[in-house]
Amino acid sequence: DIVMTQSPDSLAVSLGEKATINCKSSQSLLYSPNNKNYLAWYQQKPGQPPKLLIYWASTRESGVPDRFSGSGSGTDFTLSISSLQAEDVAVYYCQQYYSTPITFGQGTRLEIK
Amino acid sequence: EVQLVESGGGLVQPGGSLRLSCAASGFTFSSYAMSWVRQAPGKGLEWVSSISGSGGSTYYADSVKGRFTISRDNSKNTLYLQMNSLRAEDTAVYYCAREVMVVPADAYYFDYWGQGTLVTVSS
Repeated sequence: DIVMTQSPDSLAVSLGEKATINCKSSQSLLYSPNNKNYLAWYQQKPGQPPKLLIYWASTRESGVPDRFSGSGSGTDFTLSISSLQAEDVAVYYCQQYYSTPITFGQGTRLEIK
Repeated sequence: EVQLVESGGGLVQPGGSLRLSCAASGFTFSSYAMSWVRQAPGKGLEWVSSISGSGGSTYYADSVKGRFTISRDNSKNTLYLQMNSLRAEDTAVYYCAREVMVVPADAYYFDYWGQGTLVTVSS
């Protein structure tokens, strides 16, 4: 199984500042024939189910604010929030879909400083 | 509007059984593979089981293989998870989620999730 490791486990950022969450996979998620990285990001607010933010490592889901962006390739990926808003307080998860079983990172808790 | 509504959770003793349901609406249910994903209290997400749109193919995490059975009734737009021989470590919120299949991996990510139903296994 592919192991997904996120860092840090928790993060406190001031309102309006940039937040960066990292995700590392135990093997490459880049499929060379189509040059796509098989990685998604989810946001889970307290008491709510996860919500899809980004897929193919950098494609925003419809309706997701453009302050959220994904980057990276191969085994190292980043979720960035350009200007943190109060409503962004949540736990963020990465997920690989390069192979089954699909696996998630352990989550990163984002709080306001 | 896509909606997924889980039900059937509750308190059950170790070794007991429970059947979860997920009622789907707002999309052509039979066209989508579906999964169950669980989240133990205060923990992360764990994929549990998946079923193809027709119901002909099913997949399980090693942690539940032989104890859980996933099924669907496309005439009722409903997904099920039959859970037998329950253990304390099965205590979690169980979410149903709609899969977005990708090629060529035959893997998927999830574009819609239900609100979840809590299963507590305790004596």
